[in-house]
Amino acid sequence: EVQLVESGGGLVQPGGSLRLSCAASGFTFSDYWMHWVRQAPGKGLVWVARIYSDGSSTIYADSVKGRFTISRDNAKSTLYLQMNSLRAEDTAVYYCARDSRYRQDYWGQGTLVTVSS
Amino acid sequence: QSALTQPASVSGSPGQSITISCTGTSSDVGGNYFVSWYQQHPGKAPKLIIYDVSNRPSGVSNRFSGSKSGNTASLTISGLQAEDEADYYCSSYTSSSTWVFGGGTKLTVL
Repeated sequence: EVQLVESGGGLVQPGGSLRLSCAASGFTFSDYWMHWVRQAPGKGLVWVARIYSDGSSTIYADSVKGRFTISRDNAKSTLYLQMNSLRAEDTAVYYCARDSRYRQDYWGQGTLVTVSS
Repeated sequence: QSALTQPASVSGSPGQSITISCTGTSSDVGGNYFVSWYQQHPGKAPKLIIYDVSNRPSGVSNRFSGSKSGNTASLTISGLQAEDEADYYCSSYTSSSTWVFGGGTKLTVL
């Protein structure tokens, strides 16, 4: 059974940093691209970033480019999102999702990030 | 990248059919067949229900169907059931090698 479990969310002050993790199991993690998608409270889904299966390529939404870094450790079957220079508008539930031919076929349960002073 | 355009809400009675539209541009919906639909119940993670415009993952009811014409994709749910009440999101791969979601549609089963 495919499982994705996010962790690392919490309350952080504006300008601060946070690193999210997503532990994967039930599939060969190193075979798949992975994504981060976020959802502000009461709002819709917004794509954040994608990383290739071997980590050789990453791409970001304009809203987080230069502030967020997606990475992975295939030996640990874990996906990461390093978030720097956080803003109030980054407040959201962050989901990791597996990519299967340009669709996100499995999602984690999400972790809440709150940016507030 | 602007969000794809979906109606904020739709409603229908049990047994009826509804259709949710998703309008983009030639750079996303109109430019490829990597259009997906997701169902999200309150407090839950999104679930993939349609991929590649009109394909259903294993285990998804055949009451869900998808189509596309030009820059607009559509999700149709037939034989509405109470359990279908949820938020629905479309998504498309884009010419910039990124992804874009729609704003979401709240389905109410009357």
